[in-house]
Amino acid sequence: SSELTQDPAVSVALGQTVRISCQGDRLRMYYASWYQQKPGQAPLLVIYGQNRRPSGIPDRFSGSDSGNTASLTITGAQAEDEADYYCSSRDSSGDLYVFGPGTKVTVL
Amino acid sequence: EVQLVESGGGLVKPGGSLRLSCAASGFTFSSYSMTWVRQAPGKGLEWLSSITSRNSDSSYADSIRGRFTISRDNIQSSLSLQMNSLRAEDTAIYYCARENDAGNYYFDYWGRGILVSVSS
Repeated sequence: SSELTQDPAVSVALGQTVRISCQGDRLRMYYASWYQQKPGQAPLLVIYGQNRRPSGIPDRFSGSDSGNTASLTITGAQAEDEADYYCSSRDSSGDLYVFGPGTKVTVL
Repeated sequence: EVQLVESGGGLVKPGGSLRLSCAASGFTFSSYSMTWVRQAPGKGLEWLSSITSRNSDSSYADSIRGRFTISRDNIQSSLSLQMNSLRAEDTAIYYCARENDAGNYYFDYWGRGILVSVSS
């Protein structure tokens, strides 16, 4: 089956901006969704659709899409944003889902 | 408030079976597709299976197809995952999640997860 790829890890200085990317052919057909996961916790949806944030998600989180790449941007990263971030999308068949391998974000 | 609570996890021997349940509340369960996702120790998220709201059509990841069966009870607002022929590599935290599949595809609410350990 096809895959989504993500950078394994990125770091960002406190208050600065970081962009996390997710690549895959299926992203030409479907929007990615993005999940934040902190140690010992369940994943939390932070971005879905065309740059939509669930209620309660700070507006420093935003999403964008270009071709086969989806991106999650944290503008003004806070210490509490340190977490693993996963992208997800439908499979090319349209019936299944796939997650990217995750990006560990460290806030310095 | 939407709540999803998994139960039924535990330690099982290779080749054994286990049935996970997910009790849903705070929303109209029958109106949503539901999903199981797992996470092996120190690993990433793996989508396992989804079941639609309308006609209970189901889909499975290759890694579990033929061994696991997803089902739902719209009267009891519960989701289940019957896991047979368990293997060591099935050891993971299993999450149930509410799925949105009306145009955009995403999982907006998650349970806290339940641990399944497969070991002799």
